[in-house]
Formats: sequence, C-alpha cells, structure tokens
Amino acid sequence: DSGVTQTPKHLITATGQRVTLRCSPRSGDLSVYWYQQSLDQGLQFLIQYYNGEERAKGNILERFSAQQFPDLHSELNLSSLELGDSALYFCASSVDAGPSTDTQYFGPGTRLTVL
Amino acid sequence: DAKTTQPTSMDCAEGRAANLPCNHSTISGNEYVYWYRQIHSQGPQYIIHGLKNNETNEMASLIITEDRKSSTLILPHATLRDTAVYYCIVRPPEGGSYIPTFGRGTSLIVHP
Repeated sequence: DSGVTQTPKHLITATGQRVTLRCSPRSGDLSVYWYQQSLDQGLQFLIQYYNGEERAKGNILERFSAQQFPDLHSELNLSSLELGDSALYFCASSVDAGPSTDTQYFGPGTRLTVL
Repeated sequence: DAKTTQPTSMDCAEGRAANLPCNHSTISGNEYVYWYRQIHSQGPQYIIHGLKNNETNEMASLIITEDRKSSTLILPHATLRDTAVYYCIVRPPEGGSYIPTFGRGTSLIVHP
C-alpha cells in the first residue's frame, strides 16, 4: 500500500460525457502527478501540481484539466470524452523537496472505459 | 531532460540475478537516476535511486558507471513476483519544470 488513494477504481461512461477522478496523496506529500496509461502509449505524464500550484505540464489535452485543493487532494477532470480516452489513470505523490527526494508513490489507478 | 534507453524485454531464471541496463548518455552531473517497476496494471512502484555512488536497499542494487552514462539495476535473487516492467528515468535538478518520462521500460520475465 503506497498511501496514495484514488477513486473510483473503475468508471464506465459514454462518449461526450464528463468525469472527475480523485486522488489523495500520502500524508505530508505536497506534489501530485497525473499519468495516463493506454495499451499503445505507455505511461504518459499529464500534469503536476505542487502545493496547489501547477508546476509542470505534459501532453495534456485541452479537454482535460486538473486542480489541487488546499487539503492537497487533487482532481482530474476529463470532458467531451472520446473512445481513445479509455485508459488507466494514475496519480502519484511525492515530497518533492528536491531531485534527491522526488520519489513518486503511485496510487492503484482508475480504469476509465468510454463506450 | 536526459533521455533513457532500455532493452524492450529480458528474461531471467528464478533465483538468479537479474541485471537490467539503462543508457542515459546525455545525463548531466546533477541529475538523479530513478528506477520504478510496474506489475501488470498496478501502480508503478519505486525501487531505488542514485546520483553517482552505487546504492543498495532491500529491493535491489543500483550500479552507476563512473561516467554516469549508464546504470544497471540488479535484483540479486529474482523471484516470479519480480516479473514486471522496469522503468529507468532521470530526474533533473531543481529549477524549471520537470517532465517525468517513463518510456516503455524493460519487460522482465522471471521463469521457473
């Protein structure tokens, strides 16, 4: 158990819909990362938040957005869903006090299926 | 950010050492090497990290070459549970945004 929780575990929805994925980081971790993993793309970095502020952005689609709240939990919002958005979505957290302490602890993931 | 290159797949007999190589020839002097693994569809798991010196923990050993252009993750006595995809990534120093790039990793199969 990494200490990172993600909800829901599974999500099945239809094209065009909007969903919200939630992540609670480990106690004390200020940084939250979001990743997408589909069969043909591997583990793709989407976005990172540090203590409520966006810190880094990967190839995140404009239809996707995220935020980190004052209690440090984070949400990833996916809208206008397409079949290709079906994937595993992982959240990770770290202390991120520097490069030597940036060990990422991953949650169990949310499996999104878009029909 | 420095890129990494890993073999696509490897296999190893149970009980033997598994040596997983990673090439990071463009690494700069203050970038760390991190290793993670992912067991089928589970969240990736941290294994070990290092800067210059070799490192060892309860899971594995990390050997970094003197020129730091490559490293090897060693699982000293591989078990069937070590079957996973292993990722080597480089973490740059503070300053500027950092894009974690996991790539495809090495799929390690440990066989009986």
